[in-house]
Amino acid sequence: GQNIDQPTEMTATEGAIVQINCTYQTSGFNGLFWYQQHAGEAPTFLSYNVLDGLEEKGRFSSFLSRSKGYSYLLLKELQMKDSASYLCAVSSQTGANNLFFGTGTRLTVIP
Amino acid sequence: NAGVTQTPKFRILKIGQSMTLQCTQDMNHNYMYWYRQDPGMGLKLIYYSVGAGITDKGEVPNGYNVSRSTTEDFPLRLELAAPSQTSVYFCASSYSGTGTDTQYFGPGTRLTVL
Repeated sequence: GQNIDQPTEMTATEGAIVQINCTYQTSGFNGLFWYQQHAGEAPTFLSYNVLDGLEEKGRFSSFLSRSKGYSYLLLKELQMKDSASYLCAVSSQTGANNLFFGTGTRLTVIP
Repeated sequence: NAGVTQTPKFRILKIGQSMTLQCTQDMNHNYMYWYRQDPGMGLKLIYYSVGAGITDKGEVPNGYNVSRSTTEDFPLRLELAAPSQTSVYFCASSYSGTGTDTQYFGPGTRLTVL
């Protein structure tokens, strides 16, 4: 089976740094994705990791440790518009990019 | 490019009614997916397609049917609507099925079954 865990809610202050963790246990592993979803909107792609290590994209970075089944998303210089849900998803099926999603972490950025 | 479009945006159905959720993409993507998202739950894969004429079940296919007659369109059919199918439905597409290929999501259809 597939099991993906992430915290339900987090609160952080504007301008600060926040780290959202994701742990996974899946029957296979092709890659790990992070999506951002604002309330009432579609998920939008943020980043993905295939190999261990850190991937940086502007204010967002994502880290992966395959041996530990662990990833985190790091958001720097938080802005009010970063208030959203952040979804961790694992691609684990050979030959298809079917994603298994965690329940998402709702981040609230406060002034 | 419009990307992935879905219609309708909202719909209320009575128990036992049927309907088709439409999904179209103009990115020439081979792979298309249908997910449902319930409050407080992660997205769950209903069906997916790896190309025209080829579909397969995901995690939660019961109560749904799909077809893929063209590359662009991937409609989702609910035959006998039940309250348990109240959810937000997202269609997505990707160019390939490799583990690193990004999926692009449509705006969603919010369905209520009463």
